[in-house]
Amino acid sequence: RKEVEQDPGPFNVPEGATVAFNCTYSNSASQSFFWYRQDCRKEPKLLMSVYSSGNEDGRFTAQLNRASQYISLLIRDSKLSDSATYLCVVSKGAQKLVFGQGTRLTINP
Amino acid sequence: DTAVSQTPKYLVTQMGNDKSIKCEQNLGHDTMYWYKQDSKKFLKIMFSYNNKELIINETVPNRFSPKSPDKAHLNLHINSLELGDSAVYFCASSHWQGGEKLFFGSGTQLSVL
Repeated sequence: RKEVEQDPGPFNVPEGATVAFNCTYSNSASQSFFWYRQDCRKEPKLLMSVYSSGNEDGRFTAQLNRASQYISLLIRDSKLSDSATYLCVVSKGAQKLVFGQGTRLTINP
Repeated sequence: DTAVSQTPKYLVTQMGNDKSIKCEQNLGHDTMYWYKQDSKKFLKIMFSYNNKELIINETVPNRFSPKSPDKAHLNLHINSLELGDSAVYFCASSHWQGGEKLFFGSGTQLSVL
């Protein structure tokens, strides 16, 4: 079983739609969780951290379910510029992040 | 004012050759990393250095040798390149405290023919 699993997609949704994707992790001792975004042929960039209580940043909402060991990302009112690959990231210890394969999202006009 | 810069951006070479990728960061971070992203897009850590000291060496063949002359630089030297080494290599940096926020370089696409 992979340490961090994501549906690779692709997800194709119309502009303005709400889209959500999940990620599961295998190590119950994992402490920190994040979503990174990677545009085509570019480097990954931190999108947001994921806190136990759930957190929101504008149109983006991240949630953590420790009991079921999954993390979710919800994007509301999607924009064309949201098209990217979203990487679920779990901390395996100090300075050691484990990246999921990523979920590819395309927003269509 | 690139924060993390790595060179070259593209590297095409023959099997068996030796090559190096350079990385520099001007963010004042004390921790630097090398990650490899394979054709299936998995991004995996290879090495991390904190203040020039090797912290993580993640089961990487010893043909790969990182070198950190100072905390702003982390270079990667690869000996006897193999076809399976073809991938995108990303350099990254972070503060030691707060290692979850990585700043990545733009990547080096290595193609071994």
